[in-house]
Amino acid sequence: GAVVSQHPSRVICKSGTSVKIECRSLDFQATTMFWYRQFPKKSLMLMATSNEGSKATYEQGVEKDKFLINHASLTLSTLTVTSAHPEDSSFYICSARSPWTSAETQYFGPGTRLLVL
Amino acid sequence: QKEVEQDPGPLSVPEGAIVSLNCTYSNSAFQYFMWYRQYSRKGPELLMYTYSSGNKEDGRFTAQVDKSSKYISLFIRDSQPSDSATYLCAPRGKLIFGQGTTLQVKP
Repeated sequence: GAVVSQHPSRVICKSGTSVKIECRSLDFQATTMFWYRQFPKKSLMLMATSNEGSKATYEQGVEKDKFLINHASLTLSTLTVTSAHPEDSSFYICSARSPWTSAETQYFGPGTRLLVL
Repeated sequence: QKEVEQDPGPLSVPEGAIVSLNCTYSNSAFQYFMWYRQYSRKGPELLMYTYSSGNKEDGRFTAQVDKSSKYISLFIRDSQPSDSATYLCAPRGKLIFGQGTTLQVKP
């Protein structure tokens, strides 16, 4: 089956620093990946759609300069939280659509827990 | 009104119980739905699709859609402690999710 990995699984950083989270499709190529944010006991909120070779599409209310997305290859998308602050602490999850199954099926990474002190 | 809503729970049941997890939606254009299971501190995994209406079975799981009331259900028979997780519903093909219902199955 389609496997999506994320790295790191958890990260603690100081306020003001930048953090990069990687999302990889391990056994398939993904032209499109998605980044979500999830607060405790809350639903997944789509932040942006990452498109290989082009600019990401951000959802309303998501600061593109704050959350930089790069999708430089068909198997890797990165999310960089710039100048992180405590309110950025959250669970970040990426997903990708596999070409082997329905185009509507998303495969999720295991998530990255970010804690900003 | 949110497009997809779920009671966050937690729902606590004894092992072996039949569990009913529910979702309501507001957009009548939604045809099919997906149920995802998310274990604590993990990403969601696809559990099953629904049909556009009626019941669909997959092992111990049955997904039901009632279009007239815009109501979706996931039934779990013979629940196991390993079923303890948060269950999210989502319209198929859409990047929106319900809040999720947390289920605890006690041995």
